[in-house]
Amino acid sequence: DTAVSQTPKYLVTQMGNDKSIKCEQNLGHDTMYWYKQDSKKFLKIMFSYNNKELIINETVPNRFSPKSPDKAHLNLHINSLELGDSAVYFCASSQSGDWETQYFGPGTRLLVL
Amino acid sequence: AQTVTQSQPEMSVQEAETVTLSCTYDTSESDYYLFWYKQPPSRQMILVIRQEAYKQQNATENRFSVNFQKAAKSFSLKISDSQLGDAAMYFCAYRSGSNTGKLIFGQGTTLQVKP
Repeated sequence: DTAVSQTPKYLVTQMGNDKSIKCEQNLGHDTMYWYKQDSKKFLKIMFSYNNKELIINETVPNRFSPKSPDKAHLNLHINSLELGDSAVYFCASSQSGDWETQYFGPGTRLLVL
Repeated sequence: AQTVTQSQPEMSVQEAETVTLSCTYDTSESDYYLFWYKQPPSRQMILVIRQEAYKQQNATENRFSVNFQKAAKSFSLKISDSQLGDAAMYFCAYRSGSNTGKLIFGQGTTLQVKP
């Protein structure tokens, strides 16, 4: 009964490679997010989609490209991986409305060598 | 721009005692929401408690309660009867009342619970 799931949970890759992280939510939410948690545990928003439409695009290198095929899925593709991309990437989802409480996935730990 | 500050990188508490984690924020908005999330070693982000800015009454969830001081822009988390399972990193987060939805997080406070 996982509410927000991410695959893979761990990803080890070489610099310069391209990789994707997938996120799915079964909560019926209409908004999904990607956050990055760096080595100092600092969490920052990267992107947000509402009903498959991009609504938040923070200052993220354009090597990062999110894609939302439907409301339940939000994927993150990263081109030409760099050492500094090593982090934990969290997907989250929420339902538009007063609270919009965000529920997080388990995170994907990306290590770029 | 809104900011969230957690000035205590680490805290420790004896099991069964009470501990308070501090959080201050800066905003010019009047409509917003505040949250505390817990991140145990498993790395999962778990919602602990939430507070609407327009509500004066402090939120409570079982052993967890907040002290929300809107004028002071302070949102502290009190954990009563601390348990070993409370050991985790705690993040304070702010969300604007507008429809951008993004959470702005503090730096986090690592809580150690001593048996």
